[in-house]
Amino acid sequence: AQSVSQHNHHVILSEAASLELGCNYSYGGTVNLFWYVQYPGQHLQLLLKYFSGDPLVKGIKGFEAEFIKSKFSFNLRKPSVQWSDTAEYFCAVRPPAGGYQKVTFGTGTKLQVIP
Amino acid sequence: EAQVTQNPRYLITVTGKKLTVTCSQNMNHEYMSWYRQDPGLGLRQIYYSMNVEVTDKGDVPEGYKVSRKEKRNFPLILESPSPNQTSLYFCASMGTGRGEQYFGPGTRLTVT
Repeated sequence: AQSVSQHNHHVILSEAASLELGCNYSYGGTVNLFWYVQYPGQHLQLLLKYFSGDPLVKGIKGFEAEFIKSKFSFNLRKPSVQWSDTAEYFCAVRPPAGGYQKVTFGTGTKLQVIP
Repeated sequence: EAQVTQNPRYLITVTGKKLTVTCSQNMNHEYMSWYRQDPGLGLRQIYYSMNVEVTDKGDVPEGYKVSRKEKRNFPLILESPSPNQTSLYFCASMGTGRGEQYFGPGTRLTVT
Protein backbone atom coordinates (compact mmCIF):
# COMPACT_ATOMS: atom_id res chain seq x y z
CA ALA A 1 0.00 0.00 0.00
CA GLN A 2 1.14 3.50 -0.71
CA SER A 3 2.03 5.90 2.08
CA VAL A 4 3.17 9.49 2.40
CA SER A 5 5.46 10.96 5.05
CA GLN A 6 5.71 14.61 5.95
CA HIS A 7 8.38 14.85 8.56
CA ASN A 8 7.94 18.51 9.45
CA HIS A 9 4.76 18.86 11.46
CA HIS A 10 5.12 22.51 12.36
CA VAL A 11 7.38 25.07 10.72
CA ILE A 12 7.80 28.67 11.83
CA LEU A 13 9.49 31.15 9.50
CA SER A 14 9.94 34.87 9.30
CA GLU A 15 8.67 36.71 6.26
CA ALA A 16 11.10 36.59 3.30
CA ALA A 17 12.69 33.36 4.53
CA SER A 18 12.95 30.45 2.14
CA LEU A 19 10.73 27.45 2.57
CA GLU A 20 11.23 23.78 1.93
CA LEU A 21 8.72 21.21 3.13
CA GLY A 22 9.61 17.56 2.86
CA CYS A 23 7.44 14.86 1.35
CA ASN A 24 8.44 11.25 0.86
CA TYR A 25 6.23 8.51 -0.48
CA SER A 26 6.41 4.79 -0.67
CA TYR A 27 5.00 3.15 -3.76
CA GLY A 28 6.63 0.81 -6.20
CA GLY A 29 5.33 2.21 -9.45
CA THR A 30 4.68 5.45 -11.24
CA VAL A 31 2.75 7.97 -9.23
CA ASN A 32 0.95 11.23 -9.52
CA LEU A 33 1.97 13.70 -6.81
CA PHE A 34 0.15 16.67 -5.36
CA TRP A 35 0.53 19.44 -2.88
CA TYR A 36 -2.61 20.92 -1.38
CA VAL A 37 -2.88 23.97 0.85
CA GLN A 38 -5.46 24.64 3.53
CA TYR A 39 -5.68 28.24 4.73
CA PRO A 40 -7.09 28.74 8.22
CA GLY A 41 -10.76 27.86 8.30
CA GLN A 42 -10.88 26.94 4.65
CA HIS A 43 -10.99 23.81 2.50
CA LEU A 44 -8.09 22.21 0.71
CA GLN A 45 -7.00 23.72 -2.57
CA LEU A 46 -4.60 22.34 -5.14
CA LEU A 47 -1.23 24.08 -5.06
CA LEU A 48 0.54 22.06 -7.73
CA LYS A 49 0.71 18.60 -9.23
CA TYR A 50 3.12 16.31 -11.01
CA PHE A 51 2.00 13.71 -13.52
CA SER A 52 5.01 13.30 -15.84
CA GLY A 53 7.68 15.24 -17.71
CA ASP A 54 9.76 18.00 -16.16
CA PRO A 55 10.34 17.02 -12.53
CA LEU A 56 10.37 20.66 -11.46
CA VAL A 57 6.78 21.74 -11.19
CA LYS A 58 5.61 25.28 -10.71
CA GLY A 59 2.35 26.00 -8.96
CA ILE A 60 0.33 28.96 -7.84
CA LYS A 61 1.54 31.78 -5.59
CA GLY A 62 5.23 31.22 -6.36
CA PHE A 63 5.41 27.66 -5.05
CA GLU A 64 7.32 24.92 -6.80
CA ALA A 65 8.13 21.28 -6.13
CA GLU A 66 10.75 18.92 -7.38
CA PHE A 67 10.10 15.24 -8.03
CA ILE A 68 13.18 13.15 -7.33
CA LYS A 69 12.33 9.61 -8.30
CA SER A 70 15.46 8.04 -6.81
CA LYS A 71 14.63 9.53 -3.44
CA PHE A 72 10.86 9.01 -3.63
CA SER A 73 10.53 12.66 -2.74
CA PHE A 74 8.41 15.60 -3.81
CA ASN A 75 9.52 18.55 -1.69
CA LEU A 76 7.70 21.85 -1.79
CA ARG A 77 9.70 25.08 -2.03
CA LYS A 78 9.20 28.81 -2.07
CA PRO A 79 12.09 31.27 -2.20
CA SER A 80 10.49 33.95 -0.05
CA VAL A 81 7.44 33.32 2.12
CA GLN A 82 4.80 35.87 3.02
CA TRP A 83 2.55 36.15 6.04
CA SER A 84 -0.33 35.09 3.79
CA ASP A 85 1.36 31.71 3.26
CA THR A 86 0.44 30.74 6.81
CA ALA A 87 -1.52 27.54 6.26
CA GLU A 88 -1.36 23.78 6.48
CA TYR A 89 0.23 21.97 3.57
CA PHE A 90 -0.57 18.42 2.54
CA CYS A 91 1.35 16.17 0.19
CA ALA A 92 -0.63 13.46 -1.60
CA VAL A 93 0.14 10.54 -3.91
CA ARG A 94 -1.98 8.57 -6.35
CA PRO A 95 -1.18 5.73 -8.76
CA PRO A 96 -1.92 7.00 -12.28
CA ALA A 97 -3.54 3.87 -13.71
CA GLY A 98 -6.97 4.19 -15.26
CA GLY A 99 -10.16 4.33 -13.30
CA TYR A 100 -10.39 5.43 -9.73
CA GLN A 101 -7.16 5.22 -7.85
CA LYS A 102 -6.95 5.96 -4.17
CA VAL A 103 -5.31 9.20 -3.13
CA THR A 104 -3.23 8.97 0.04
CA PHE A 105 -2.49 12.11 2.02
CA GLY A 106 0.35 12.90 4.36
CA THR A 107 -0.38 14.13 7.87
CA GLY A 108 0.26 17.73 6.92
CA THR A 109 2.73 20.47 7.83
CA LYS A 110 1.55 23.61 9.56
CA LEU A 111 3.44 26.66 8.38
CA GLN A 112 3.39 29.78 10.47
CA VAL A 113 4.94 32.88 8.93
CA ILE A 114 5.82 35.65 11.34
CA PRO A 115 5.63 39.21 10.00
CA GLU B 1 -18.86 28.34 -10.85
CA ALA B 2 -17.40 24.87 -10.37
CA GLN B 3 -17.81 23.86 -6.76
CA VAL B 4 -18.47 21.23 -4.16
CA THR B 5 -20.99 22.18 -1.52
CA GLN B 6 -21.60 20.62 1.87
CA ASN B 7 -24.33 21.13 4.41
CA PRO B 8 -24.42 21.80 7.23
CA ARG B 9 -21.13 23.58 7.82
CA TYR B 10 -21.37 23.17 11.58
CA LEU B 11 -23.29 20.58 13.54
CA ILE B 12 -23.49 19.78 17.22
CA THR B 13 -25.43 16.67 18.09
CA VAL B 14 -25.80 14.04 20.77
CA THR B 15 -24.69 10.45 20.83
CA GLY B 16 -26.98 8.14 18.92
CA LYS B 17 -28.97 10.71 17.01
CA LYS B 18 -28.85 9.88 13.31
CA LEU B 19 -27.55 12.59 11.03
CA THR B 20 -26.79 13.17 7.37
CA VAL B 21 -24.22 15.50 5.86
CA THR B 22 -24.99 16.36 2.26
CA CYS B 23 -22.47 16.83 -0.51
CA SER B 24 -23.14 18.03 -4.02
CA GLN B 25 -20.89 18.84 -6.99
CA ASN B 26 -21.73 20.63 -10.22
CA MET B 27 -18.78 19.43 -12.34
CA ASN B 28 -20.28 16.13 -13.55
CA HIS B 29 -17.43 14.29 -11.83
CA GLU B 30 -17.56 10.52 -11.60
CA TYR B 31 -15.53 10.14 -8.44
CA MET B 32 -16.51 11.43 -5.03
CA SER B 33 -15.01 10.82 -1.61
CA TRP B 34 -15.51 11.59 2.04
CA TYR B 35 -12.60 12.35 4.34
CA ARG B 36 -12.25 13.18 7.97
CA GLN B 37 -9.51 15.46 9.20
CA ASP B 38 -8.14 15.11 12.71
CA PRO B 39 -5.15 16.91 14.25
CA GLY B 40 -1.92 15.03 13.63
CA LEU B 41 -3.62 12.44 11.45
CA GLY B 42 -4.12 14.39 8.25
CA LEU B 43 -6.96 13.37 5.96
CA ARG B 44 -8.29 9.85 6.14
CA GLN B 45 -10.69 8.52 3.56
CA ILE B 46 -14.01 7.23 4.86
CA TYR B 47 -15.80 6.11 1.70
CA TYR B 48 -15.53 6.76 -1.98
CA SER B 49 -17.71 6.34 -5.02
CA MET B 50 -16.66 5.67 -8.60
CA ASN B 51 -20.07 6.40 -10.07
CA VAL B 52 -23.79 6.14 -9.41
CA GLU B 53 -24.60 3.12 -7.25
CA VAL B 54 -20.89 2.22 -6.94
CA THR B 55 -19.34 2.85 -3.54
CA ASP B 56 -16.52 1.32 -1.52
CA LYS B 57 -14.88 1.61 1.86
CA GLY B 58 -11.91 3.81 2.47
CA ASP B 59 -9.53 3.60 5.41
CA VAL B 60 -11.93 4.43 8.25
CA PRO B 61 -15.47 3.38 7.24
CA GLU B 62 -16.72 2.10 10.60
CA GLY B 63 -19.76 3.97 11.83
CA TYR B 64 -20.52 5.63 8.49
CA LYS B 65 -22.73 4.94 5.50
CA VAL B 66 -22.95 6.55 2.09
CA SER B 67 -25.16 6.39 -0.95
CA ARG B 68 -24.81 7.56 -4.54
CA LYS B 69 -28.19 7.62 -6.16
CA GLU B 70 -27.40 10.60 -8.37
CA LYS B 71 -24.11 11.57 -9.91
CA ARG B 72 -23.97 14.96 -8.28
CA ASN B 73 -24.82 13.93 -4.71
CA PHE B 74 -22.93 11.84 -2.19
CA PRO B 75 -24.39 12.10 1.32
CA LEU B 76 -22.59 10.84 4.40
CA ILE B 77 -24.80 9.17 7.00
CA LEU B 78 -24.00 8.58 10.64
CA GLU B 79 -26.66 6.16 11.89
CA SER B 80 -25.62 6.36 15.55
CA PRO B 81 -22.97 9.01 16.05
CA SER B 82 -20.45 8.65 18.86
CA PRO B 83 -18.03 11.17 20.39
CA ASN B 84 -15.07 9.64 18.52
CA GLN B 85 -16.71 10.82 15.31
CA THR B 86 -16.22 14.42 16.35
CA SER B 87 -14.12 15.73 13.48
CA LEU B 88 -13.89 17.96 10.44
CA TYR B 89 -15.37 16.27 7.39
CA PHE B 90 -14.60 17.05 3.77
CA CYS B 91 -16.30 15.88 0.63
CA ALA B 92 -14.27 15.83 -2.58
CA SER B 93 -14.87 15.09 -6.24
CA MET B 94 -12.58 14.20 -9.10
CA GLY B 95 -13.12 13.87 -12.84
CA THR B 96 -12.17 10.89 -15.00
CA GLY B 97 -8.56 10.96 -16.14
CA ARG B 98 -7.72 13.76 -13.79
CA GLY B 99 -5.87 13.44 -10.57
CA GLU B 100 -6.68 16.52 -8.57
CA GLN B 101 -9.60 16.58 -6.23
CA TYR B 102 -11.96 19.45 -5.58
CA PHE B 103 -12.90 19.82 -1.94
CA GLY B 104 -16.00 21.12 -0.29
CA PRO B 105 -15.83 23.74 2.48
CA GLY B 106 -15.96 21.18 5.28
CA THR B 107 -18.43 20.23 8.00
CA ARG B 108 -17.34 20.54 11.59
CA LEU B 109 -19.20 17.90 13.59
CA THR B 110 -19.28 17.69 17.37
CA VAL B 111 -20.89 14.69 19.03
CA THR B 112 -21.51 15.04 22.75
